[in-house]
Amino acid sequence: QKEVEQNSGPLSVPEGAIASLNCTYSDRGSQSFFWYRQYSGKSPELIMSIYSNGDKEDGRFTAQLNKASQYVSLLIRDSQPSDSATYLCAVNSNTNAGKSTFGDGTTLTVKP
Amino acid sequence: IAGITQAPTSQILAAGRRMTLRCTQDMRHNAMYWYRQDLGLGLRLIHYSNTAGTTGKGEVPDGYSVSRANTDDFPLTLASAVPSQTSVYFCASSQGTDTGELFFGEGSRLTVL
Repeated sequence: QKEVEQNSGPLSVPEGAIASLNCTYSDRGSQSFFWYRQYSGKSPELIMSIYSNGDKEDGRFTAQLNKASQYVSLLIRDSQPSDSATYLCAVNSNTNAGKSTFGDGTTLTVKP
Repeated sequence: IAGITQAPTSQILAAGRRMTLRCTQDMRHNAMYWYRQDLGLGLRLIHYSNTAGTTGKGEVPDGYSVSRANTDDFPLTLASAVPSQTSVYFCASSQGTDTGELFFGEGSRLTVL
């Protein structure tokens, strides 16, 4: 089992829809969770961090964390074509010296 | 513009050659990291440094070495490159050592033939 698993994708949604990206992790002791966006050929860019159970909203983005279920998700409301990218879930894992372990990413395409 | 600078952007290298990827940050961040990104395997941590003078091993450290002589620079060296080290290498930094809020450089694409 991989330490951080994401929907394999790709995920395609129409413009204006809600995109839902999911991530599960295996280290129950993890305390810090992140979502990065990576455009094709570019470097990852941090878009959300979440540390406590519940929801955290930032503009059109909402991160949700459920530590009991070891699950973190990212919702993108009113999806735009410019949201088309690969989204990487990262978890600070004690099994990786407390550093970020990344999932393989989910590629999102928003169709006009 | 503040950020992380990596060099070279791209390099083709013969197997067995020595190669150093350079990384410099001007944000005065304490921690720095090297990740490699391979299709289907995501980003994997090679080495990290919590502060100048210290380094640590990540998930895939074999075949790589790093040094952290000062706050700004964190070079990654492949002593004798092998084809399996063909990858895109990203340098990253963070303000704290455990925040995990990483800022990435633009990457170095390395091909080992």
